[in-house]
Amino acid sequence: GESVGLHLPTLSVQEGDNSIINCAYSNSASDYFIWYKQESGKGPQFIIDIRSNMDKRQGQRVTVLLNKTVKHLSLQIAATQPGDSAVYFCAENMNTGNQFYFGTGTSLTVIP
Amino acid sequence: EAGVVQSPRYKIIEKKQPVAFWCNPISGHNTLYWYLQNLGQGPELLIRYENEEAVDDSQLPKDRFSAERLKGVDSTLKIQPAELGDSAVYLCASSLGLAGRGEQFFGPGTRLTVL
Repeated sequence: GESVGLHLPTLSVQEGDNSIINCAYSNSASDYFIWYKQESGKGPQFIIDIRSNMDKRQGQRVTVLLNKTVKHLSLQIAATQPGDSAVYFCAENMNTGNQFYFGTGTSLTVIP
Repeated sequence: EAGVVQSPRYKIIEKKQPVAFWCNPISGHNTLYWYLQNLGQGPELLIRYENEEAVDDSQLPKDRFSAERLKGVDSTLKIQPAELGDSAVYLCASSLGLAGRGEQFFGPGTRLTVL
């Protein structure tokens, strides 16, 4: 499969601060990306997605940025809360491949 | 609305034994996925169904793994015989869209331990 990597395996932030989780992807043909959140003992949960014709998309307290030039994706979480503590995965999809490739994941810990 | 249901949640077996996992997707979802997730890693696709047809099983180790989705609803994933390296979490997901797109809803997974 294609490589989808994350720069930092762990991230600790103070409650109320903003968090930034980064992801590098290797295939320039990828045209759809999703960020997932996975809490312990649960399956991944969709957070936000973005298509390659966009460079930014905002949700509730989350923003995804896509830089196709350097094949980089980031997830920004505003005012991080203890409930945000989880492992975050980025996943890429190529229309021709019809499947998602997940990265290794970044573990986010929010310190009260 | 109920989410994706998987059973059992945990399974411990000895190597060379068979094991089966069951998945009930969200009602109306055409596409069903089975993923394998190793500790600290992202999910890896094993097989994807569109209705009752397996449209992508290229990553399924067919010598020991099999899957079925009769009537295009529930699905089972079987391993026979299980090996030590099969210890992992097996995730089922479903989506409304076809062709691998659309938001995927994941079940809680079945944690398999092979001794």
